[in-house]
Amino acid sequence: DVVMTQTPVSLPVSLGGQASISCRSSQSLVHSNGNTYLHWYLQKPGQSPQLLIYRVSNRFSGVPDRFSGSGSGTDFTLKISRVEPEDLGDYYCLQSTHFPWTFGGGTKLELK
Amino acid sequence: EVQLVESGGGLVQPGRSLKLSCAASGFTFSNYYMAWVRQAPKKGLEWVATISTSGSRTYYPDSVKGRFTISRDNAKSSLYLQMNSLKSEDTATYYCARHTMGLLDYWGQGVMVTVSS
Repeated sequence: DVVMTQTPVSLPVSLGGQASISCRSSQSLVHSNGNTYLHWYLQKPGQSPQLLIYRVSNRFSGVPDRFSGSGSGTDFTLKISRVEPEDLGDYYCLQSTHFPWTFGGGTKLELK
Repeated sequence: EVQLVESGGGLVQPGRSLKLSCAASGFTFSNYYMAWVRQAPKKGLEWVATISTSGSRTYYPDSVKGRFTISRDNAKSSLYLQMNSLKSEDTATYYCARHTMGLLDYWGQGVMVTVSS
């Protein structure tokens, strides 16, 4: 199975500041069709996960441009600029290139 | 508006069975793959099952293969998860999610399953 390693586990931030979350995979996430199926989700307290970024760098509908994704192969990053209160919660990366699909362990974005 | 509403959770004894349901609305259900994802208390997310549009193809991780069965009724816009031989480690919130082009774009609010004697 592909192991997804997310760091850091906890990320204290100041409102208005910037946050960066890393997600590394144990093998390349480039599919045979050329696409890279690495996605990012935010789970706010008491809610279900919501899609932020799909296929590395594409913002989902309604996601503000403060969120950006980058990376390739096995190394990926989610950046949040100008952090707002509604950005706090648990962030997860998901790889759906290989079965079984696997999630990263999560990163808790919290106020400093 | 896409809506996914899970039901059927509860407390069940180890070794027993439980069937979850997910009612979908706001989109053409039969056009989409669907999936189940679970989250143990205070833990991360785990993909549990995926089903094709017609139901002819299903996919599971080893942790549930042979015990869980995903199915769907396109006429009723409903997704199901039959869980047999339940173990304490199956205790989790189970989410129904829409699968599109290799990702899960919309999720339900989840239903809690507790396996305990």
